[in-house]
Amino acid sequence: DTGVSQDPRHKITKRGQNVTFRCDPISEHNRLYWYRQTLGQGPEFLTYFQNEAQLEKSRLLSDRFSAERPKGSFSTLEIQRTEQGDSAMYLCATKGQARNEQFFGPGTRLTVL
Amino acid sequence: GNSVTQMEGPVTLSEEAFLTINCTYTATGYPSLFWYVQYPGEGLQLLLKATKADDKGSNKGFEATYRKETTSFHLEKGSVQVSDSAVYFCALSVNNNDMRFGAGTRLTVKP
Repeated sequence: DTGVSQDPRHKITKRGQNVTFRCDPISEHNRLYWYRQTLGQGPEFLTYFQNEAQLEKSRLLSDRFSAERPKGSFSTLEIQRTEQGDSAMYLCATKGQARNEQFFGPGTRLTVL
Repeated sequence: GNSVTQMEGPVTLSEEAFLTINCTYTATGYPSLFWYVQYPGEGLQLLLKATKADDKGSNKGFEATYRKETTSFHLEKGSVQVSDSAVYFCALSVNNNDMRFGAGTRLTVKP
């Protein structure tokens, strides 16, 4: 257990529905990252926050995706009008100022039917 | 851009065999290099890291040396155990920004 938690662990939804995932970071970590991992691939960067500010977004993050970190603590990732291609594991990672490695949560596995 | 290429798997070894998983990188600037491990049903865990050229990261009998001249960070272990069966990811980070991961190498160790 790295101290980063994600909820839910699994989500099954129908195409066209909206879904929201939550990540709770290690409390003193100011940076929070979202990644997507598909079967047989490594994680791909989506976006990251420093405190409450969203500093970078990948071109993978289409306009159906939105992420927030309203008080610089937990973060949410919402996918609107889900598509089958959104099926993946969504990973959250956090990083403190003192060290340069990221600590990953267990992930949320999304299945879009 | 920044990217990582790692040895394709799967890799199957007998217990106590020597392990090498190759990783090479392309980066602008001076990256930090990492190996993460993902055990079945679990999240990614940091295995080891190196932040500058010629640094050697080590943990749990695994080692990797940051080779700037060959842009490599190969993972090695002298004697693998069944419990080392997992997926191993090589990754880099430049300026403490997002990480770029390789595709992962699945290792299976048989008794």
